[in-house]
Amino acid sequence: KAGVTQTPRYLIKTRGQQVTLSCSPISGHRSVSWYQQTPGQGLQFLFEYFSETQRNKGNFPGRFSGRQFSNSRSEMNVSTLELGDSALYLCASSATGGLGNTIYFGEGSWLTVV
Amino acid sequence: TQLLEQSPQFLSIQEGENLTVYCNSSSVFSSLQWYRQEPGEGPVLLVTVVTGGEVKKLKRLTFQFGDARKDSSLHITAAQPGDTGLYLCAGDQGAQKLVFGQGTRLTINP
Repeated sequence: KAGVTQTPRYLIKTRGQQVTLSCSPISGHRSVSWYQQTPGQGLQFLFEYFSETQRNKGNFPGRFSGRQFSNSRSEMNVSTLELGDSALYLCASSATGGLGNTIYFGEGSWLTVV
Repeated sequence: TQLLEQSPQFLSIQEGENLTVYCNSSSVFSSLQWYRQEPGEGPVLLVTVVTGGEVKKLKRLTFQFGDARKDSSLHITAAQPGDTGLYLCAGDQGAQKLVFGQGTRLTINP
């Protein structure tokens, strides 16, 4: 079956702009989470959605937001972009997000803020 | 906040050598996962360890979970160039919230 699909794969934005990233989870998976990966901070948890509800949130400013649709697809949005937001944004999905669930990552969206 | 410390951060060895990567925490995790990430791709799950003292083998890779479920190790026997990549350990906090170590960038030289 198809894996986690993220779009776009690469994008360049200017400081102050906003960006929306999209994620389609593996079919049947209802839990979707987002991570930010940078060389300095590594992989950091942003938030997780299950059945259109945010269940868990990492330590990121309110400029980072997300949502999940009824078909489990998810989007994340970053407003008022800063240079430090340049990163690889990874989406992951699992069946229910419960402990022990296998988590599958997408290939990520590379965001460059100039 | 639960933190995972991974060591070494960088490792470059010759083909055929053995190596061990360590992942340590002061906190207990219900499970710990090891991922491998190649450039331009997302992390790919290698193994999940759940029980203290558990040992899992994946071909030339051996994963161990500490008795107290605070630490883990990854041992590679007879490393090959194809093992090159970023190895990440991650502790599971539930609701898909994984706490990742900084990663070990492994280079196997032919």
